[in-house]
Amino acid sequence: GDSVTQMEGPVTLSEEAFLTINCTYTATGYPSLFWYVQYPGEGLQLLLKATKADDKGSNKGFEATYRKETTSFHLEKGSVQVSDSAVYFCALRKTGTASKLTFGTGTRLQVTL
Amino acid sequence: NAGVMQNPRHLVRRRGQEARLRCSPMKGHSHVYWYRQLPEEGLKFMVYLQKENIIDESGMPKERFSAEFPKEGPSILRIQQVVRGDSAAYFCASSPPTDEQFFGPGTRLTVL
Repeated sequence: GDSVTQMEGPVTLSEEAFLTINCTYTATGYPSLFWYVQYPGEGLQLLLKATKADDKGSNKGFEATYRKETTSFHLEKGSVQVSDSAVYFCALRKTGTASKLTFGTGTRLQVTL
Repeated sequence: NAGVMQNPRHLVRRRGQEARLRCSPMKGHSHVYWYRQLPEEGLKFMVYLQKENIIDESGMPKERFSAEFPKEGPSILRIQQVVRGDSAAYFCASSPPTDEQFFGPGTRLTVL
């Protein structure tokens, strides 16, 4: 079945450091890929998405590129802020259908001054 | 346009009681999904519903759990005879057909 694997956390960075959170997937066909962010005590918010190979999703300084050859969708940010501290989830969904999301286990990011 | 609404936000039940979780989708959204998040884990899909129909319930436990999305009113996730292992955050998401899902704030269920 479909699955998503994320690097384990927690990830602790100093403010303005470079962030990479790795995500790889296993799926049949060509899924859409997503990054969601969850702040403490809140629900998930869509951060960015990509729907086909080589697409780059970007939002709020975060980026991720859909790499079909390596089945990856790594999240990056050039300079993190304390306010980026949250749990980040990588997810996939079958393209063209209103179907379920399959999530990774999440990566907790802690940014310190 | 209000977002996805869930209530209650926090629910405490004793073992053996029933839990009812409600989800009101965003206006214009006809698809509802329920996910469960156990402590320190990712979200796991439970069930996908459209109005008056269950489309995919492959993630639902076979016993004690049920879900509905009636023609009028919110979607309901019902857990009968709760056990401590049911303690989790339950998230609802809604979407239009073939589009991204928007999540509610979740209901945190604690079973004593």
